Amino acid sequence: GQSLEQPSEVTAVEGAIVQINCTYQTSGFYGLSWYQQHDGGAPTFLSYNALDGLEETGRFSSFLSRSDSYGYLLLQELQMKDSASYFCALGGNTGKLIFGQGTTLQVKP
Amino acid sequence: IAGITQAPTSQILAAGRRMTLRCTQDMRHNAMYWYRQDLGLGLRLIHYSNTAGTTGKGEVPDGYSVSRANTDDFPLTLASAVPSQTSVYFCASSPRADNQPQHFGDGTRLSIL
Repeated sequence: GQSLEQPSEVTAVEGAIVQINCTYQTSGFYGLSWYQQHDGGAPTFLSYNALDGLEETGRFSSFLSRSDSYGYLLLQELQMKDSASYFCALGGNTGKLIFGQGTTLQVKP
Repeated sequence: IAGITQAPTSQILAAGRRMTLRCTQDMRHNAMYWYRQDLGLGLRLIHYSNTAGTTGKGEVPDGYSVSRANTDDFPLTLASAVPSQTSVYFCASSPRADNQPQHFGDGTRLSIL
């Protein structure tokens, strides 16, 4: 089967950089995705890594290392509005996503 | 505005009753999905459909059924609701089954008493 592990909570201050790690176990997958979810809201797509390396989208970057079964989401220049839950998810060729349990990020002034 | 519409927004239901959660998308996406989200368990896939006329089982399909008669609609039915099905239900879609990202609706909060 597939499984993902993320830290349950992370705290950082406004303007800082924070890294949310995701380790996984799987027999095969197409890519690792990251989603953001604010309290009570719909998950929204942030980033996707099909290949090893870094993908950058504005203040957010995501990294994947298949050899280490590891990925991370990097958030730079943290803002209060970045306080939310962040989920990593493994995707296969059927489109099915297996989500991690999520990391709650709290940004403090 | 293009996107995914879920209905109802919330519902309280007596155990044993039948309930259908509606999901409609106007983006002409081929693939659609139903997830449930419970505290501490993240999002879990219930059922999915890669294209109109086909459906498949996800991680937690028991007690739920789906149909995909056309591209736009993907209803989720609880034939006989039980309290353990109390959850927030999200519908999602993507252009193709292997295509990121998935776009999510705003969810349906369902309480089974």
